[in-house]
Amino acid sequence: EVQLVESGGGLIQPGGSLRLSCAASGFTFSTIYMGWVRQAPGKGLEWVSVIYSGGSTFYADSVKGRFTISRDNTNNTLFLQMNSLRAEDTAVYYCARGGHSDSSRGENFDYFGQGTLVTVSS
Amino acid sequence: EIVLTQSPATLSLSPGERATLSCRASQTVLTYLAWYQQKPGQAPRLLIYDASYRATGVPARFSGSGSGTDFTLTISRLEPEDFAVYYCQQRSDWPPNFTFGPGTKVDLK
Repeated sequence: EVQLVESGGGLIQPGGSLRLSCAASGFTFSTIYMGWVRQAPGKGLEWVSVIYSGGSTFYADSVKGRFTISRDNTNNTLFLQMNSLRAEDTAVYYCARGGHSDSSRGENFDYFGQGTLVTVSS
Repeated sequence: EIVLTQSPATLSLSPGERATLSCRASQTVLTYLAWYQQKPGQAPRLLIYDASYRATGVPARFSGSGSGTDFTLTISRLEPEDFAVYYCQQRSDWPPNFTFGPGTKVDLK
């Protein structure tokens, strides 16, 4: 059974840093792309970042230069280092597993964790 | 940047009725579109990928169609557990940039 369990969220002041973790199990973690998707209170879904099995990383413009995605394939863990946090980063952050498609253009996310809440406020 | 728009914003229906949700892309995404369902307080769930393929465990009453810029998610007969928000999603060619639509809420009439 695929399981994704996020941790590391909490209340942080503007300008602060936070590191989210996602413990993955039930699949061969090292071979699959992984991502982070967030949802501000009462709003829709927003993609944050993706990391491929080879280590390539990509970011939404809204977090580029401030957030860093990484993975530990030995311990089946995904990370999101968030620096220079802003009020607009307040959201539930979901860890997500890369899904199947017959093309890289069809990449999607087929499993999500339950999310961890990040609140940026003074 | 490809922008996804969804209509209607809210769809008010009764159990047993047919739901038809639309997603339109600002430029072609070929057949590379996914649909998700999200219930209050829950994580999103993948329903459809590559426009028309049901994800594992998704009931047959959910179907997806379309290509190019116009896509449809159809729920043939609404069950009580289908009242939720539905999002479409695409990934741009290069660099990879995933985009979600604003969502359609299916609520109880």
